[in-house]
Amino acid sequence: NIVLTQSPATLSVTPGESVSLSCRASQSISTSIHWYQQKSNESPRLLIKYASQSISGIPSRFSGSGSGTDFTLSINRVESEDFSIYYCQQSYSSLYTFGAGTKLELK
Amino acid sequence: EVQLQESGPGLVKPSQSLSLTCSVTGYSITSNYWGWIRKFPGNKMEWMGYISYSGSTSYNPSLKSRISITRDTSKNQFFLQLNSVTTEDTATYYCARYYYSSYFDYWGQGVMVTVSS
Repeated sequence: NIVLTQSPATLSVTPGESVSLSCRASQSISTSIHWYQQKSNESPRLLIKYASQSISGIPSRFSGSGSGTDFTLSINRVESEDFSIYYCQQSYSSLYTFGAGTKLELK
Repeated sequence: EVQLQESGPGLVKPSQSLSLTCSVTGYSITSNYWGWIRKFPGNKMEWMGYISYSGSTSYNPSLKSRISITRDTSKNQFFLQLNSVTTEDTATYYCARYYYSSYFDYWGQGVMVTVSS
């Protein structure tokens, strides 16, 4: 199984700050990583596909980078609506797995 | 627009079967892939399995022989059955479109299922 390790588990920030969330894979997965945002009591929402490809309707302050084993979701100037949990998910292996999530909270 | 909605009982007794329905509108389930994902208390997410456009299935090995995903193309619905549930199966269950078995781009609102006597 490919294990995805997200860090940090919790990130406390103030609106306006820019942040980077990490997702590390236990083996090389090329760019087969996807990022989701889940707000409280809502379904997950796809933010980024294949490490860095943007999704229609997602604000441009969200971006992704990385390949191989190390991936980053960046949020440029966090807004109040961004406080939620972020997950990465890999599709390299047919046993699809998610990371444990990073909670972005208000400082 | 693609929309998915889960339905089913919110409470299941231990050792019984959990059965959920996902109703899809705006897109035919005879195209693409359709999956079930669950989120446990504590936020862990688990991919459970999917059914493809052709009706073939793939399951998470951790669920072994307990899981079955089927479909009714005439109603544009697909189904989850999980047998012999325990309290460890308490979770919020989501159905989603699994875009050509890569990423989940459309999700249902989720249904919370509690396994308890």
